[in-house]
Amino acid sequence: ILNVEQSPQSLHVQEGDSTNFTCSFPSSNFYALHWYRWETAKSPEALFVMTLNGDEKKKGRISATLNTKEGYSYLYIKGSQPEDSATYLCAFDSYGGATNKLIFGTGTLLAVQP
Amino acid sequence: DTEVTQTPKHLVMGMTNKKSLKCEQHMGHRAMYWYKQKAKKPPELMFVYSYEKLSINESVPSRFSPECPNSSLLNLHLHALQPEDSALYLCASTLTSGANEQFFGPGTRLTVL
Repeated sequence: ILNVEQSPQSLHVQEGDSTNFTCSFPSSNFYALHWYRWETAKSPEALFVMTLNGDEKKKGRISATLNTKEGYSYLYIKGSQPEDSATYLCAFDSYGGATNKLIFGTGTLLAVQP
Repeated sequence: DTEVTQTPKHLVMGMTNKKSLKCEQHMGHRAMYWYKQKAKKPPELMFVYSYEKLSINESVPSRFSPECPNSSLLNLHLHALQPEDSALYLCASTLTSGANEQFFGPGTRLTVL
């Protein structure tokens, strides 16, 4: 059974704080690592899809790094804003030759206080 | 149009009812997915369709029956469900196989009485 773990489970920060979360995943059968943001009552929204060891991706104030050899990814948010409040999910992608199969972590719930 | 739509938003059904969930996308995506999400748990993959053919069935009970009538539409037919099947059912699509982001619908909140 593949295990994808995220920490912390939840995080409360003040507006302007920078923060980071961790996603741990199996280092075998790796194809890609996805990050999604899921706001309450909305659809999960893709942030990054990362494939290469050492990869770093950035979108505005949010960035992510990937270490496939040791099986972890970090998501960073610089200068958190209240609109960043959401659950952040990572997903381990193992490609089976014809289809991608995502296994999601349990998520990190971020609450940013104004 | 970069949207995945799901209907209905909410569904309450009895254990003897037959109902269907619908998912639609018009982005030309050829892979479509059904996920089930219980409270405080991550989404769990149920089914994957690739080019309108069932590609993955994650040992889902037969009371859930998926259908992909065309490349834009994905249905999930429900029959004789149990109360423990109450959950949020999410649909997603992606362009094709490969390291592509999945686009999710808002989900159908299902309650089985």
